[in-house]
Amino acid sequence: GDSVTQMEGPVTLSEEAFLTINCTYTATGYPSLFWYVQYPGEGLQLLLKATKADDKGSNKGFEATYRKETTSFHLEKGSVQVSDSAVYFCALDSNYQLIWGAGTKLIIKP
Amino acid sequence: NAGVTQTPKFRVLKTGQSMTLLCAQDMNHEYMYWYRQDPGMGLRLIHYSVGEGTTAKGEVPDGYNVSRLKKQNFLLGLESAAPSQTSVYFCASSSLGTGTSGANVLTFGAGSRLTVL
Repeated sequence: GDSVTQMEGPVTLSEEAFLTINCTYTATGYPSLFWYVQYPGEGLQLLLKATKADDKGSNKGFEATYRKETTSFHLEKGSVQVSDSAVYFCALDSNYQLIWGAGTKLIIKP
Repeated sequence: NAGVTQTPKFRVLKTGQSMTLLCAQDMNHEYMYWYRQDPGMGLRLIHYSVGEGTTAKGEVPDGYNVSRLKKQNFLLGLESAAPSQTSVYFCASSSLGTGTSGANVLTFGAGSRLTVL
């Protein structure tokens, strides 16, 4: 069945560092791909999405490109801030359900 | 806008007790979902609804029941709680549901933390 694999956390970075959180997927067809973010004590919220191959989703300085050839949707940010500390979830749209990665906790130190 | 509201936020139960979690949304969304979140396992879909009066099983439905009597409310019930149901539960809603390319964005509630002793 369809699945999503994320890099394990926690990922700890210093402020202004470059961020990459890896996400790869297995799916039949070409599902939409998503990144959701969960701040401490809150529910998840959509960060960005891409609906077809080579699409780039972007929001709040974060970017991710839908790579069909490598079945990947890696999340990147050029310069992280302390306020980016959160748990990040990669997900794909499959057969009327969202399939979720396990989440990657990001810790940014000042 | 309130968005998606879950009650209660915290609850402690003893094994065998029953309870209901309430989810209310004010966005007129057709689709509603109940997930559980466990450490290292992401989110797992328990049940979902594609409209008032409808429900369907998700990935992990055993031990749970749901009802969608009103479009804005989606109730999750535990008839006989077990320690394995200790988790954080999230409700979510969307306007068009998954499977609609590019259109599905879920709005989540803040979560309900349930502990079963």
